[in-house]
Amino acid sequence: DVKVTQSSRYLVKRTGEKVFLECVQDMDHENMFWYRQDPGLGLRLIYFSYDVKMKEKGDIPEGYSVSREKKERFSLILESASTNQTSMYLCATFRGGLYNEQFFGPGTRLTVL
Amino acid sequence: QKEVEQNSGPLSVPEGAIASLNCTYSDRGSQSFFWYRQYSGKSPELIMSIYSNGDKEDGRFTAQLNKASQYVSLLIRDSQPSDSATYLCGTYNQGGKLIFGQGTELSVKP
Repeated sequence: DVKVTQSSRYLVKRTGEKVFLECVQDMDHENMFWYRQDPGLGLRLIYFSYDVKMKEKGDIPEGYSVSREKKERFSLILESASTNQTSMYLCATFRGGLYNEQFFGPGTRLTVL
Repeated sequence: QKEVEQNSGPLSVPEGAIASLNCTYSDRGSQSFFWYRQYSGKSPELIMSIYSNGDKEDGRFTAQLNKASQYVSLLIRDSQPSDSATYLCGTYNQGGKLIFGQGTELSVKP
């Protein structure tokens, strides 16, 4: 089974703080993704990475950066948290093959006050 | 036209009945389709993937794909209250991004 873990289930931060969200997968998958999910807006892709030290912007990268120093670990960084970044953050990993499936971690509910 | 469309529901079925969830998509080039189940406050869980026309069964779940009609469905037999969740239909767009419909909320009443 694919296992994706995220560093925190719930996180509360203050405006202006630097926030790190970490994601770890145990399947040696190359592709990893960060999404945010908001009511009425669905899932939106923030960044993805297809290899160590490689990153690509998704649909809403503004205000975020990422880091991938090791294959199993993909971090999302909020440089200066703002209230409009309050959201559910979801990490996913990709298993190639016939279906090209994505598997999500448990999510981090971030609240920025 | 949205790339992936689902009825938002809520869809309410009695326990033990068959729940039928439907999804249409606009890109004829789409190949793989996915059904995710998402409980309130939790992350999406992949429950079915389908690639070929026809039916694919896994336990109480059957996914059906009709590429000519650009239609994907998920049938849940012997529905249980624990099946109450939002079901997301997804596929990849031409840009290679996984895209979803807005989700169908299913409620199974005991």
